[in-house]
Amino acid sequence: EIVLTQSPGTLSLSPGERATLSCRASQSVSSSFLAWYQQKPGQAPRLLIYDASNRATGIPDRFSGSGSGTDFTLTISRLEPEDFAVYYCQQFGTSSLTFGGGTKVESK
Amino acid sequence: QVQLRESGPGLVKPSQTLSLTCTVSGGSITSDGYYWSWIRQHPGRGLEWIGFISYNGSSYYNASLKSRLTISLDTSNNHFSLRLTSVTAADTAVYYCARDPGYYDTSGYYPNNWFDPWGQGTLVTVSS
Repeated sequence: EIVLTQSPGTLSLSPGERATLSCRASQSVSSSFLAWYQQKPGQAPRLLIYDASNRATGIPDRFSGSGSGTDFTLTISRLEPEDFAVYYCQQFGTSSLTFGGGTKVESK
Repeated sequence: QVQLRESGPGLVKPSQTLSLTCTVSGGSITSDGYYWSWIRQHPGRGLEWIGFISYNGSSYYNASLKSRLTISLDTSNNHFSLRLTSVTAADTAVYYCARDPGYYDTSGYYPNNWFDPWGQGTLVTVSS
C-alpha cells in the first residue's frame, strides 16, 4: 500500500499569503491518479484538483496542483478567508487507494 | 446535478452488521461509466476508502475490509448500499458516499479514482 505523507501538519498564514502544501508518496504515483480535496468542519471533502494538476469544476484559479513521481504540491496563490480548512491528497495505485493525513491551513 | 445522501442507523452494537444506503438524485446510478464509492473518516482523523461498485454492478473493495464488506446496487430505487459485518469500535466513523464519474477509452469505461461529488456524511457509532 502506498503511504502519503502530508506536510506541514499545520500551516498558519494570513489572508492574502501564499500557501504551499506538500504530499509525498512512499512509492511512485502515476500523476493520473493524484487528487487534492478541501474539507471544512462539519462538511464533506470537496474535490479541488485531479490528475495532479487539473482543477475541478468551479474551483478558483488561485488553487493549483503540480508534481510527479513521489512529490506533489498544492499551492493556493493568495489565501481567501474561505480557504482556511484541512486539505487532503489522495492516490490510486498498486490496487489500493489511500489518502494523506491532511494539512490544516489556519488563520494566523 | 447529481446529489448523494447517506442514511442508516447511527448506532450499531459490536459484532452486529452496519448497513447504510446512499440515495442518488439528479442522475441514474446505472449511467455508463459511473462508479459509486464509500469512504469513511474516523473521529478527528483522516479518510479511508472502503470500496466501490460500478454502474454495471462490478465491485472492488479495500483489502483490509474485504472479508466483512458488501457493496450493492438497487437500480429500482436508484441507490447503492454498504453492508459491513462483525463491527467493532474501530468501525466508528463518519461514512460518506461519493461518485467517481469515470472515463471512457477505446476498451471501455474505467474509474478515475477521484471523487466528486460527495454526500454530506453520516456518523455511525459502534457501542453496546
